[in-house]
Amino acid sequence: SQQGEEDPQALSIQEGENATMNCSYKTSINNLQWYRQNSGRGLVHLILIRSNEREKHSGRLRVTLDTSKKSSSLLITASRAADTASYFCATDDNYGQNFVFGPGTRLSVLP
Amino acid sequence: DAMVIQNPRYQVTQFGKPVTLSCSQTLNHNVMYWYQQKSSQAPKLLFHYYDKDFNNEADTPDNFQSRRPNTSFCFLDIRSPGLGDAAMYLCATSRDTGEAREKLFFGSGTQLSVL
Repeated sequence: SQQGEEDPQALSIQEGENATMNCSYKTSINNLQWYRQNSGRGLVHLILIRSNEREKHSGRLRVTLDTSKKSSSLLITASRAADTASYFCATDDNYGQNFVFGPGTRLSVLP
Repeated sequence: DAMVIQNPRYQVTQFGKPVTLSCSQTLNHNVMYWYQQKSSQAPKLLFHYYDKDFNNEADTPDNFQSRRPNTSFCFLDIRSPGLGDAAMYLCATSRDTGEAREKLFFGSGTQLSVL
């Protein structure tokens, strides 16, 4: 089944630095989404980018999508300790219905 | 506030003893999902309901069943839990517009332990 693959698996940065996470997928998509998960909690939707979009911003978040390379990146600028979490990309499945998640990137922001 | 609520937050059961996890939503979304998430892994879709229509993923074991008695509630039944079923179970909802599924709203999850 189609699945996004994030890299790196884990990322550790200092507060104030930028964090970049990447996601690759296998087949064509309608949209790609990024979610955040704090330890032991449910996932929270961050941002959705459609296949005909190349870049999207939301506050300190910037998402890019390159459909020719089947990849996306999530940039968090001016990171804070509270950004410490796991970040997952999700793509719609081959039927354009359900969402399939990648393995995630564990981000640690050190104060 | 509209939300997705899962109960209980933590559930402990014995090997082979049936267990039911519950989920309710106030978003009036027509699609409800159950995901299983093991430690440090991605959430894995078990099944979903589109209104009353049940859709099972091909690799979901028969040990897992689900019920959706109405729009607001959905239950996950594990008939004979094994040690490998210990995981976080996440309920999610989304709205299907007829053209696309919108973003997922997740509950806080139920952490299941099997002794």
